[in-house]
Amino acid sequence: DIQMTQSPSSLSASVGDRVTITCRASQGISSWLAWYQQKPEKAPKPLIYGASNLQSGVPSRFSGSGSGTYFTLTISSLQPEDFATYYCQQYSVYPLTFGGGTRVEIK
Amino acid sequence: QITLKESGPTLVKPTQTLTLTCTFSGFSLNTDGVGVGWIRQPPGKALEWLALIYRNDDKRYNPSLKNRLTITKDTSRNQVVLTMTNLDPVDTGTYYCVYRPVNRPADYWGQGTLVTVSS
Repeated sequence: DIQMTQSPSSLSASVGDRVTITCRASQGISSWLAWYQQKPEKAPKPLIYGASNLQSGVPSRFSGSGSGTYFTLTISSLQPEDFATYYCQQYSVYPLTFGGGTRVEIK
Repeated sequence: QITLKESGPTLVKPTQTLTLTCTFSGFSLNTDGVGVGWIRQPPGKALEWLALIYRNDDKRYNPSLKNRLTITKDTSRNQVVLTMTNLDPVDTGTYYCVYRPVNRPADYWGQGTLVTVSS
């Protein structure tokens, strides 16, 4: 199985901050990487697919980059509605696997 | 508009079998390359992919649970069913049904259904 490692596991930030979350794959997955946002008691919301493609309706302050084994999710200017947990997922090979999540909290 | 909704029991006893149904609309499982699958999340923990089924009845399972999972589809009723045997309290969590378009990740999710395994 491909292991997905996210860092940090949690972070505290203020509104307006630039935030970057990293995701590393245990083997190369090209650009078959997705990011999701999850708020408490809600289903995950797809943010990015193909490592850098925004899903429809996702604000442009979100961006993704990377390929192979190293990926990042960046929020250019954190907004109050962005406080949530973020997950990466590889969909290159089965079994599909998720990272452990990064919780973004208010400082 | 694509929607998915999970249904099934909320409480299951240890050793019993869990059957969850995903009823979807807005797309067809008759399209090549699209799949419907299941993902779960124990309380306070990360997401875990379980299984997925394609139009041609190709099925993929999480190897860590493979012997306990069965996924089937009823295309005429727009439903996908997941069966999990020999439930244990560690199987407690929210179970999500997801739609995976061609060459895409889980782009659409159901609201999830919380399953508690307890005697």
